[in-house]
Amino acid sequence: SAVISQKPSRDICQRGTSLTIQCQVDSQVTMMFWYRQQPGQSLTLIATANQGSEATYESGFVIDKFPISRPNLTFSTLTVSNMSPEDSSIYLCSVDVGEGYEQYFGPGTRLTVT
Amino acid sequence: DAKTTQPPSMDCAEGRAANLPCNHSTISGNEYVYWYRQIHSQGPQYIIHGLKNNETNEMASLIITEDRKSSTLILPHATLRDTAVYYCIVSDNSNYQLIWGAGTKLIIKP
Repeated sequence: SAVISQKPSRDICQRGTSLTIQCQVDSQVTMMFWYRQQPGQSLTLIATANQGSEATYESGFVIDKFPISRPNLTFSTLTVSNMSPEDSSIYLCSVDVGEGYEQYFGPGTRLTVT
Repeated sequence: DAKTTQPPSMDCAEGRAANLPCNHSTISGNEYVYWYRQIHSQGPQYIIHGLKNNETNEMASLIITEDRKSSTLILPHATLRDTAVYYCIVSDNSNYQLIWGAGTKLIIKP
């Protein structure tokens, strides 16, 4: 299993600014994922972040808008850049602990852009 | 796009079994069926997964039809804390990616 924490838990930001979200895992994991959950919607995968390699982005998400760092096996950051109100969402990180069958999720970061 | 179809909402009385259906008629032979749930304001939580056989753990049972085109998640004795959105997902684990559909909002009523 894995315990995941995210910082901040929530934030209210102004249009045009950037926010960096941190994801910390209590054990070393190879695969980490970042998701977005817009209000009332399901989860959409933003990117997969493996340590030692560039993040792989899904269609509709680009590195300039959502740069990701993965400096080690227990930590990752997602930055939401040049924010607009459309970026208001819950951002979640998850990990696969290598068993291949279940992912563990953080509690999410609730972002509101005004 | 998600490869599963679920009813948007269901009600269940507390203490009764909650049976949540999922259709996955285009499932491939190497794809697993996963169930997760998301309680309000929390991250999703893994419940159970299966390939062909029925599975049971401390949280739930998963019944997969013989042709694997549909499945049912069973919460044997639902409690108010089981109120959540339940997601049925199929994945072959090749890239560990999960494609999330809309899920079923399950409301447990006292």
